[in-house]
Amino acid sequence: RKEVEQDPGPFNVPEGATVAFNCTYSNSASQSFFWYRQDCRKEPKLLMSVYSSGNEDGRFTAQLNRASQYISLLIRDSKLSDSATYLCVVNGDFGNEKLTFGTGTRLTIIP
Amino acid sequence: GAGVSQSPSNKVTEKGKDVELRCDPISGHTALYWYRQSLGQGLEFLIYFQGNSAPDKSGLPSDRFSAERTGGSVSTLTIQRTQQEDSAVYLCASSLTRTTDTQYFGPGTRLTVL
Repeated sequence: RKEVEQDPGPFNVPEGATVAFNCTYSNSASQSFFWYRQDCRKEPKLLMSVYSSGNEDGRFTAQLNRASQYISLLIRDSKLSDSATYLCVVNGDFGNEKLTFGTGTRLTIIP
Repeated sequence: GAGVSQSPSNKVTEKGKDVELRCDPISGHTALYWYRQSLGQGLEFLIYFQGNSAPDKSGLPSDRFSAERTGGSVSTLTIQRTQQEDSAVYLCASSLTRTTDTQYFGPGTRLTVL
């Protein structure tokens, strides 16, 4: 089983719609979770951290389910500029805290 | 302020040659990472430097790969006797102190081994 698994997509979604995608992770000891965004042929950039209680940043909501070992990202009122690949990122155990990146979920917002 | 910079942006080399890739992290960031990303693949961790600690080299795929970080700042990733499977985008990132601080990525070096 991969350490971090994501549905690669692509998700093709009309502008204004709501879209959600999940990511599962295998290491139950992981403590830190993130969503990064990567535009085509560009470097990844942090979109948001994911907190245990769930967190929201404008149109974006991230949630963590430790029992089932998955995190989710919800995008409301999607914009054309949201088209990108979304990378799920998880850290390892204490003492081995390097980040593991998922292969990403590709999202295209259609006008 | 200035972000992470990498050079060269593109490198085409012949199989068997050595290459050096350079990374200039954000000033003041003590943690520096190298990743590589092959077409359609996720980011693969290569190596991690934190301050004066011994680097975490656990992601280096073979002994042809090495990296150093001089003076706690600039880093160089060296690939000896390049192979075609080394072709990828090599990304450098830096963060303030820990792996879980926001990692800021450079634009990457696209390496093509012919």
